[in-house]
Amino acid sequence: SQQGEEDPQALSIQEGENATMNCSYKTSINNLQWYRQNSGRGLVHLILIRSNEREKHSGRLRVTLDTSKKSSSLLITASRAADTASYFCATGSNSGYALNFGKGTSLLVTP
Amino acid sequence: EAGVVQSPRYKIIEKKQPVAFWCNPISGHNTLYWYRQNLGQGPELLIRYENEEAVDDSQLPKDRFSAERLKGVDSTLKIQPAELGDSAVYLCASSDSLWGSGTGELFFGEGSRLTVL
Repeated sequence: SQQGEEDPQALSIQEGENATMNCSYKTSINNLQWYRQNSGRGLVHLILIRSNEREKHSGRLRVTLDTSKKSSSLLITASRAADTASYFCATGSNSGYALNFGKGTSLLVTP
Repeated sequence: EAGVVQSPRYKIIEKKQPVAFWCNPISGHNTLYWYRQNLGQGPELLIRYENEEAVDDSQLPKDRFSAERLKGVDSTLKIQPAELGDSAVYLCASSDSLWGSGTGELFFGEGSRLTVL
């Protein structure tokens, strides 16, 4: 079963613009992660945010978490063509990490 | 350091045939995951191991799927017999234990793409 739901399903922007993706989930979580997947490849970890954190930064990435709304957002600033990929959120509990992935947001960044 | 290694990368079989996928996780990672990813969807957890113990296999279709992680290192996922609906990418991942000092980051292999005809 997939708990997370990313929004939008697809996003097309130009290089230099910011990209924002949202993730909503259904049950209580201990942590939430974001992953990137290039076409035909495995997933690559981007960032993890724990339930007691509200915001986290890593390079051009900014993640927020609102546990009251059961939602998270991923912001990629100053996007590049190389950011073209699918992005997934994954929720974890006290039992483990990345137990439930969403369906993903497909991001296309055009030069 | 070598990443998570999976084989085969591609497999085409006819329905009712058996198939097996192999995964070698990153050295020292206690936790190993098998996911199934259908086209246009996110990964769905099939089974998770802590060392050699399967701690979460609630989503594994046990009538035709089996998995093992002998000695707590590499792992094999088997489907017998395969059905048309099993066509998907099977992803293996590994991580430090939840209760360790690790970051919680999962390292994924490139996946094994199965096509059932």
